[in-house]
Amino acid sequence: DADVTQTPRNRITKTGKRIMLECSQTKGHDRMYWYRQDPGLGLRLIYYSFDVKDINKGEISDGYSVSRQAQAKFSLSLESAIPNQTALYFCATSVAGGEGTDPADTQYFGPGTRLTVL
Amino acid sequence: LAKTTQPISMDSYEGQEVNITCSHNNIATNDYITWYQQFPSQGPRFIIQGYKTKVTNEVASLFIPADRKSSTLSLPRVSLSDTAVYYCLVPPPYNFNKFYFGSGTKLNVKP
Repeated sequence: DADVTQTPRNRITKTGKRIMLECSQTKGHDRMYWYRQDPGLGLRLIYYSFDVKDINKGEISDGYSVSRQAQAKFSLSLESAIPNQTALYFCATSVAGGEGTDPADTQYFGPGTRLTVL
Repeated sequence: LAKTTQPISMDSYEGQEVNITCSHNNIATNDYITWYQQFPSQGPRFIIQGYKTKVTNEVASLFIPADRKSSTLSLPRVSLSDTAVYYCLVPPPYNFNKFYFGSGTKLNVKP
């Protein structure tokens, strides 16, 4: 969905490096999420944010941190990357259930960032 | 925890109707059932959502029995472009630490 953009789209880095993945959205949604997906597996929630001042850990937050710089921007950082963090990372946005015309908690995903840690 | 269970994979042929069933035995009273579609190297895309009985849109139908412990996504007359992974979600609205996509169902449509 072009309304949710992620940068970079691909990144190769080395163990121990600090990496930041960025997500921007023009949908005007308050809620933003970061997921990772490993080959052949489903998505796992890393962090989520319901508004600018709200940050919550997801299922697999260890080794990651986030920053919600504005309603439209949500960044994911790997402070010291390790090889098992090699994965496809997705950002998503949503409105709260019942707001607007979207079905409850419908999430809109970005195109993904493919991260390889050597 | 309202987790879901789906078949790992399914095969079909072009033009057939495909039904993918999801079990969610512990669904809470207020939970919706949502289905997403994911193509390789793309983010998931919302397909359909329902609470009970039947919901239909331009893409699919969703059948939910009275006990709501399962739901069936129905794709009419599939084409090769419907080859994708389909996820059934039952997200607890106020406990996103349990927002669980699972592995989904890999649908392979053959010519």
